[in-house]
Amino acid sequence: QVQLQQSGPGLVKPSQTLSLTCAISGDSVSSNSTVWSWIRQSPSRGLEWLGRTYYRSKWYNDYAVSVKSRITINPDTSKNQFSLQLNSVTPEDTAVYYCARGNYAFAIWGQGTMVMVSS
Amino acid sequence: QSALTQPASVSGSPGQSITISCTGTSSDVGSYNLVSWYQLHPGKAPKLMIYEASKRPSGISNRFSGSKSGNTASLTISGLQAEDEADYYCCSYAVSSTVIFGGGTKLTVL
Repeated sequence: QVQLQQSGPGLVKPSQTLSLTCAISGDSVSSNSTVWSWIRQSPSRGLEWLGRTYYRSKWYNDYAVSVKSRITINPDTSKNQFSLQLNSVTPEDTAVYYCARGNYAFAIWGQGTMVMVSS
Repeated sequence: QSALTQPASVSGSPGQSITISCTGTSSDVGSYNLVSWYQLHPGKAPKLMIYEASKRPSGISNRFSGSKSGNTASLTISGLQAEDEADYYCCSYAVSSTVIFGGGTKLTVL
């Protein structure tokens, strides 16, 4: 049974970097058949896909156009987890952030982390 | 990329059927059979209800069905129950290997 456990701060100051981690159990971040994604939800924007990381003989990343200049998703094979970094945050980045397993359909989700951007 | 277009709200009485539409473009819904639907209850993670336009994951009631025609996908819920009251989002694979969600639809069971 695959489970995703998120961790990270719930409050980030404007202009700083949002950092979240998603620990995987029951699967491998390095699996050749799995894709790992980050998605956020806010009242104003609904659900928004942010990006993905996956391994197919080498590591690949894809990012949403809306955050492409500010986002990094990294795998950590030693801890079997993957992370989200979003730079130069503004109050518009306030949302519930989810990690999820999947490429275009997301069957397994983390518990969600409410992140507020405020000074 | 603009969000896929969904009605802001739909409603129905217990036992009735409702359909939620999800309209995209030839760059997303129209080009891929990779549409999924999610049910969101407050405070809970989204739940996958339909994938690849019409397939149900294990454990999802057959009251939920999906279809797609051209640039529009649809989610139909038959035999409405009080527990179906939630927000529903569609999602599609899109060009440049991205993913796009709809704006969400609030379902009210009267």
